[in-house]
Amino acid sequence: DIQMTQSPSSLSASVGDRVTITCRASQNINRYLNWYQQKPGKAPKVLIYAASSLQSGVPSRFSGSGSGTAFTLIISSLQPEDVATYHCQQSDSMPWTFGQGTKVEIK
Amino acid sequence: EVQLVESGGGLIQPGGSLRLSCAASGFAFGSYNMNWVRQAPGQGLEWVSYIESGGGTIYYADSVKGRFTISRDNAGNSLYLQMNSLKAGDTGVYYCTTSGSKYFDSWGQGTLVTVSS
Repeated sequence: DIQMTQSPSSLSASVGDRVTITCRASQNINRYLNWYQQKPGKAPKVLIYAASSLQSGVPSRFSGSGSGTAFTLIISSLQPEDVATYHCQQSDSMPWTFGQGTKVEIK
Repeated sequence: EVQLVESGGGLIQPGGSLRLSCAASGFAFGSYNMNWVRQAPGQGLEWVSYIESGGGTIYYADSVKGRFTISRDNAGNSLYLQMNSLKAGDTGVYYCTTSGSKYFDSWGQGTLVTVSS
């Protein structure tokens, strides 16, 4: 199975800060990497698919990049409504696997 | 508007069985691949099972293979997960999701399964 490792596991940043979350795959997954946002008590929702494609309706301050084994989610200017846990997920091969999540808080 | 509504969760003793259902509306259910994804309390997400739009291809996570069975009724716009031989480690919120293009694009609100004596 492909292992997905996210870092950091949690972070605290100020409103307006640039936030970077990384996700590494244990083997090449090409660009089959997706990012989800999960707010407390809610179901996840997709932000980015295929490494860098922004899901319809998602604010443009969210962006994704990477290919192969290393990927990045960037929030260009952190907003209070971005407090959530962010999950990466590979869909290159079954079983589809997730990272352990990164919890983002406001400082 | 896409709607996925899960039901069937509850408290069940170890070794017991439950059948989860997901009622779909607002989209062409029969054209979409579907999945179950679960989340243990305070933990990350775990993909559980996948079924192709026509039901011909099915996958399971190793952790549930041989105990869980995914199925669908395209005429009734419903997805199911039959869960047998339940263990404490199966406790969590179970989400029904679509995966039209190799990512989980729509999610239900989830149904809680608690396996405990």
